[in-house]
Amino acid sequence: SQTIHQWPATLVQPVGSPLSLECTVEGTSNPNLYWYRQAAGRGLQLLFYSVGIGQISSEVPQNLSASRPQDRQFILSSKKLLLSDSGFYLCAWSRPALESGELFFGEGSRLTVL
Amino acid sequence: GQNIDQPTEMTATEGAIVQINCTYQTSGFNGLFWYQQHAGEAPTFLSYNVLDGLEEKGRFSSFLSRSKGYSYLLLKELQMKDSASYLCAVRDSNYQLIWGAGTKLIIKP
Repeated sequence: SQTIHQWPATLVQPVGSPLSLECTVEGTSNPNLYWYRQAAGRGLQLLFYSVGIGQISSEVPQNLSASRPQDRQFILSSKKLLLSDSGFYLCAWSRPALESGELFFGEGSRLTVL
Repeated sequence: GQNIDQPTEMTATEGAIVQINCTYQTSGFNGLFWYQQHAGEAPTFLSYNVLDGLEEKGRFSSFLSRSKGYSYLLLKELQMKDSASYLCAVRDSNYQLIWGAGTKLIIKP
């Protein structure tokens, strides 16, 4: 069976510090991978998605970046966090096909920037 | 622009039935999803509609009318564990998911 894990689950970081959130998928090959951010009272915002190693599409301009060094590993990073980066970050995967089905989400990472 | 509308919050009684509506305006349509999200947790998939009509899955059913840009999620025999947020999402012509802000469902005994 397929599983997805992301970590850390919770972190509190000062403004200007770096960030690294990691996500790994097991039990499937060549998944589509996604990073979302969820703010209170708002819909999920797609930050990045990837259809293969080294292929990253960015949906919104920001001080965040993503990388996919391995087929089932997706990393969200920042060199300098802003207060507005606080939120609930979700990694997700879907099956590799244009008409892919549902998204499977990781446990989520709650980031508080102070 | 693209828009998904659903009520912010609803309250229902244990054992009752509740209908959560979702209306959408998107550039193209390639399916509509409903997800359940408990507080502090990740969303989990509930249902998928791409053709008009009703899809039933146990206590949960989802309906779609593409001509009206409308869907609803119907929850029967409500249980306390159904207290959660319910997210509506539409896949547009570029196969990107557009998400609603979610409906927080509160179940009272």
